[in-house]
Amino acid sequence: DGGITQSPKYLFRKEGQNVTLSCEQNLNHDAMYWYRQDPGQGLRLIYYSQIVNDFQKGDIAEGYSVSREKKESFPLTVTSAQKNPTAFYLCASSKDTYGEKLFFGSGTQLSVL
Amino acid sequence: DQQVKQNSPSLSVQEGRISILNCDYTNSMFDYFLWYKKYPAEGPTFLISISSIKDKNEDGRFTVFLNKSAKHLSLHIVPSQPGDSAVYFCAATRSYGKLTFGQGTILTVHP
Repeated sequence: DGGITQSPKYLFRKEGQNVTLSCEQNLNHDAMYWYRQDPGQGLRLIYYSQIVNDFQKGDIAEGYSVSREKKESFPLTVTSAQKNPTAFYLCASSKDTYGEKLFFGSGTQLSVL
Repeated sequence: DQQVKQNSPSLSVQEGRISILNCDYTNSMFDYFLWYKKYPAEGPTFLISISSIKDKNEDGRFTVFLNKSAKHLSLHIVPSQPGDSAVYFCAATRSYGKLTFGQGTILTVHP
């Protein structure tokens, strides 16, 4: 059963701590994305990757980092530089380089202790 | 700068009636538009899309209308069902991967 798996579902971060959100897909999609959802706001693009070992900043990349060492995996690290990390994080992938149709994971809720 | 706006945070309709969700955009370069549906604690799922060369696209109970001159699109759900209750996001794009999403509209369909 193909899909996108995000883990963990809930994550808590202490002050000054880096945390990493996992995203794995078995859809054989080339492109992967990270979005952030805040209440009353749309989904905002953090980072995206069209191909292994390459990624681009989205609209709100500050305080975040990513890697794309394997086609299937696109982990997101929320660093201590991100001052307002509490949000719902969504990973997505798309088959084509023109990534208009995205397939989303079920999300990770990150909260600050 | 909110390039895609959904000005109605919520919409409530009766089962069997029509639901109309609206979306406005400011960037005239957008050439492809999509609607996603999201249940609580889940990721959005693709619902329907429309290219800027069309003004209407239909898929079962769902129809999307595009008015390029007004920079406006709408999603019609007929007839509405309680299972349609969810958050609906419109999105637009003009280049690879960079979908711009609206804020979302919470649709509640009452039995």
